[in-house]
Amino acid sequence: EIVLTQSPATLSLSPGERATLSCRASQSVSNYLVWYQQKPGQAPRLLIYDASNRATGIPARFSGSGSGTDFTLTISSLEPEDFAVYYCQQRSNWPGTFGQGTKVEIK
Amino acid sequence: EVQLLESGGGLVQPGGSLRLSCAASGFTLSDCAMSWVRQAPGKGLEWVSVITTNGDTTYYADSVKGRFTISRDNSENTLYLQMNSLRAEDTAVYYCAKVVGAWYLGYFDNWGQGTLVTVSS
Repeated sequence: EIVLTQSPATLSLSPGERATLSCRASQSVSNYLVWYQQKPGQAPRLLIYDASNRATGIPARFSGSGSGTDFTLTISSLEPEDFAVYYCQQRSNWPGTFGQGTKVEIK
Repeated sequence: EVQLLESGGGLVQPGGSLRLSCAASGFTLSDCAMSWVRQAPGKGLEWVSVITTNGDTTYYADSVKGRFTISRDNSENTLYLQMNSLRAEDTAVYYCAKVVGAWYLGYFDNWGQGTLVTVSS
């Protein structure tokens, strides 16, 4: 089973700042890496698929990059609605494991 | 608009059973692989099970294999999860999710609101 490690666990930033979230895989997942956003009491929401493709309706301030074992989700300028927990998921091997999440909180 | 509406959660004793349902609308269910994903309280996400478009093939996480059964009724636009021999560690919010891409190597573009299953005596 592929293990995904997200860092940092918590990111404390102010609105307007840039957020950089990391996801590292225990073995190569090629570009089969997905990012989700989850707000309290809500279901996860698809943000980025296959490392760098924004899902329908996702603002351009969200971008993904990376391949192999190291991936990054960048939020170029945080909006108030972006404070949430972000999960990565690999779909290279069954089962499609998730990272433990990074919480982006208001500083 | 795609909508997924789970039901059937609740409190059950260890060793008991529960059947979850997910009513789908806004898309053709028979065109899509479907999954159940769960989230224990305060924890991360875990892919529980996936089923192909016509239901002929299923995969399960090791943690539920032999105890849970995923099924679907495309004519009723409904996905199911039969959960037997429930354990305390099965306590979680269970989400139904629409799969995109290769059915057991896909990702999830639409999620239901979730239904809470609590296993406790």
